[in-house]
Amino acid sequence: EAQVTQNPRYLITVTGKKLTVTCSQNMNHEYMSWYRQDPGLGLRQIYYSMNVEVTDKGDVPEGYKVSRKEKRNFPLILESPSPNQTSLYFCASSPWTGGGSNQPQHFGDGTRLSIL
Amino acid sequence: AQKITQTQPGMFVQEKEAVTLDCTYDTSDPSYGLFWYKQPSSGEMIFLIYQGSYDQQNATEGRYSLNFQKARKSANLVISASQLGDSAMYFCAMRNTGFQKLVFGTGTRLLVSP
Repeated sequence: EAQVTQNPRYLITVTGKKLTVTCSQNMNHEYMSWYRQDPGLGLRQIYYSMNVEVTDKGDVPEGYKVSRKEKRNFPLILESPSPNQTSLYFCASSPWTGGGSNQPQHFGDGTRLSIL
Repeated sequence: AQKITQTQPGMFVQEKEAVTLDCTYDTSDPSYGLFWYKQPSSGEMIFLIYQGSYDQQNATEGRYSLNFQKARKSANLVISASQLGDSAMYFCAMRNTGFQKLVFGTGTRLLVSP
């Protein structure tokens, strides 16, 4: 089954304790992205990757890191989490269509992070 | 800059009726794609329908159709014959050709009553 898998689904942690949210896709997609969803703000892009070893900042990258060492995996790293990073996080992937805009992004089920 | 505006924070509809969820967009790029996603209370994002800026016909997918008015820069989602399972948050999103980033609106919460 084609899917994007995020782990964990839920996490409560404390300020300053490094954490990693994993994301893996089995569709051989080139493009992967992380979004955060906050009430009244919709989804905003944190980081994206167009292929292995190619990553770039989205609209809200502060406090986050990513890496893309393998095509299928795109982990999101919070090195020193703070309460303002409490949010619902989504990983998404899509084929790189060389400029075409019609491919929908496939989303993981989301990770709800609470940072106390 | 790209922007999506969804002006209806919440909508109510009775079962079996049709409902329209509004979406307006702003972009200077002549080539772009518009997407609608559904987010049920369980949280996942479900792709519903796509409309390309050069598509001549309005997109349809089952009970979902997109009322695309390019001159007005609007891409409203129409759900026909609403069902209780349609109760969810709905997001409109846009992607310009050449860029993979999706820009989302703030969403509309739809509640379908029996």
